[in-house]
Amino acid sequence: DTAVSQTPKYLVTQMGNDKSIKCEQNLGHDTMYWYKQDSKKFLKIMFSYNNKELIINETVPNRFSPKSPDKAHLNLHINSLELGDSAVYFCASSQDLVDRLNEKLFFGSGTQLSVL
Amino acid sequence: GQNIDQPTEMTATEGAIVQINCTYQTSGFNGLFWYQQHAGEAPTFLSYNVLDGLEEKGRFSSFLSRSKGYSYLLLKELQMKDSASYLCALMDSNYQLIWGAGTKLIIKP
Repeated sequence: DTAVSQTPKYLVTQMGNDKSIKCEQNLGHDTMYWYKQDSKKFLKIMFSYNNKELIINETVPNRFSPKSPDKAHLNLHINSLELGDSAVYFCASSQDLVDRLNEKLFFGSGTQLSVL
Repeated sequence: GQNIDQPTEMTATEGAIVQINCTYQTSGFNGLFWYQQHAGEAPTFLSYNVLDGLEEKGRFSSFLSRSKGYSYLLLKELQMKDSASYLCALMDSNYQLIWGAGTKLIIKP
């Protein structure tokens, strides 16, 4: 079984649209994350979330919002999509916030978002 | 602030050994990770170093020198499947992961 699954794998849409990317983990982890990987391959944290705390990277536009119906799911909603939002978005999870030494991240397979 | 540098691309021959370097500058340090990412796939964990020295895991080893702000990933007996990007990531004093851009490793027969 896939540990961290996200859908869709590819998302092509027009500027101005609103879209969502879903993520689910079956590892029983407490914390989930959204990362953006741009064309230069840098991974940038967008959000980290557990049942106690949402930590937002201050550089993330408020058009992006995480929604967590339960501990196993963290969906990403994007409003008013812009050309610069085109990137690969990775969901990830860890047992706890990555604040214990040697805490591994488990990544989903990524969603390639193309905004036209 | 923090900064991570690693070579953009390296080429090596099947069966050989390759060393991928990562240098960093940071005001706080809680460890350094290496992840492997095949094209179009998710990153997967390879290693974690927080103390100076060499950690060996099969064909892969990772080294850390905190005083020099330097780490390397050593891959032995290279196989074609090792062709991937190798990402260096630093955990800073706030336990945030700061990622390098990755080194694309190309293995030739």
